[in-house]
Amino acid sequence: NAGVTQTPKFQVLKTGQSMTLQCAQDMNHNSMYWYRQDPGMGLRLIYYSASEGTTDKGEVPNGYNVSRLNKREFSLRLESAAPSQTSVYFCASSAAGSPLHFGNGTRLTVT
Amino acid sequence: SQQGEEDPQALSIQEGENATMNCSYKTSINNLQWYRQNSGRGLVHLILIRSNEREKHSGRLRVTLDTSKKSSSLLITASRAADTASYFCATDPSGGSYIPTFGRGTSLIVHP
Repeated sequence: NAGVTQTPKFQVLKTGQSMTLQCAQDMNHNSMYWYRQDPGMGLRLIYYSASEGTTDKGEVPNGYNVSRLNKREFSLRLESAAPSQTSVYFCASSAAGSPLHFGNGTRLTVT
Repeated sequence: SQQGEEDPQALSIQEGENATMNCSYKTSINNLQWYRQNSGRGLVHLILIRSNEREKHSGRLRVTLDTSKKSSSLLITASRAADTASYFCATDPSGGSYIPTFGRGTSLIVHP
């Protein structure tokens, strides 16, 4: 019973490099989310997808793009990484109105 | 901006004591959720309380909701060292898409 799986767990990038964070859920949830967590800031929503084929910006979308590849998968792309994007990234999924299920996070450092 | 804000930011207690943390929010909600985060892990859902509910229990957890004051509290009774974690409230604002919005969290340390 995997739940929400995120890859990779850790990543170090140089400024300007690109990468894609992968997320997959096996709970048949319609909604998926990407949050970032920084010390003292709690979780801030980057993008979300209410259903397959739709994506919307959250509170802090600048510098990121997303793809809802199918119902299971929701990826987050950094086209040109910046040190300000050093953070822990969490993917989550849910059924409408129900609690979120989180992955264990990707720890990204941009130097 | 955070919809929910937890208070206190940090709490340190002895095993066996009760721990109370509070959450305040700004707009009308459909429900409020509490989550726990152990160090280095993803958040885990604890309790969801709907806007028409005033109190809810789950094991050693008791959650109250006061919609007139836009606030909620989470009480952990008879705390254990294993309860050491960060606790977050998340609100589901009414009138729009289902987008839970998190506060900054309360860091709880329970000393054995």
